[in-house]
Amino acid sequence: QVQLQESGPGLVKPSETLSLTCTVSSGSITSYYWSWVRQPPGKGLEWIGSIYHSGSTNYNPSLKSRVTMSVDMSKNQFSLRLSSVTAADTAVYYCARRVATSPMYCFDYWGQGSLVTVSS
Amino acid sequence: AIQMTQSPSSLSASVGDRVTMTCRASQGIGKDLGWYQQKPGKAPKLLIYGASRLQSGVPSRFSGSGSGTDFTLTISSLQPEDFATYYCLQDYSYPLTFGEGTRVEIK
Repeated sequence: QVQLQESGPGLVKPSETLSLTCTVSSGSITSYYWSWVRQPPGKGLEWIGSIYHSGSTNYNPSLKSRVTMSVDMSKNQFSLRLSSVTAADTAVYYCARRVATSPMYCFDYWGQGSLVTVSS
Repeated sequence: AIQMTQSPSSLSASVGDRVTMTCRASQGIGKDLGWYQQKPGKAPKLLIYGASRLQSGVPSRFSGSGSGTDFTLTISSLQPEDFATYYCLQDYSYPLTFGEGTRVEIK
């Protein structure tokens, strides 16, 4: 059973950089798109971006100028950095595994989520 | 970006009811649509992918249909554990986009 676990600071100051890491257990990090999805308190889900094990990335245009994703295959981890954060970036951040092999296009495994609050 | 519109935004139903919710895409997405269930404080859970394919382990009372721009998620007989918010997600083109959700409440 694949497991994903987010880790990182729960509090980030405005204008600073949010950094999260997702550790993948019981499964290989190859052949999938590793993704981040966020959910502001009481609101819906927003796709932030995905990274393939090769390092190829796709980001949401609404966040693209501030997002950087990376993957560390040796540690079975992938990471998210979101710069110049504001209160609007306060959300639960989920990491997820995305399958993109026809006909299966979906997020089949999710982390439990990590609440990140942006506040001074 | 493809916009996903879900309706209704919320509904009230009783245990045993048949429940249907819809998701409409702003342009054709073939069958590249998934449905996710989210309970408070929990991560979303995949129910349906490819518009109509049931994810392994998901009860058969859940079913999906549709293609192109119009999609439906049906729960044939609502169970107590089904009270949750349901999201659709188009996985046809970037940026991937979710619908705003349908909240299923107890009547």
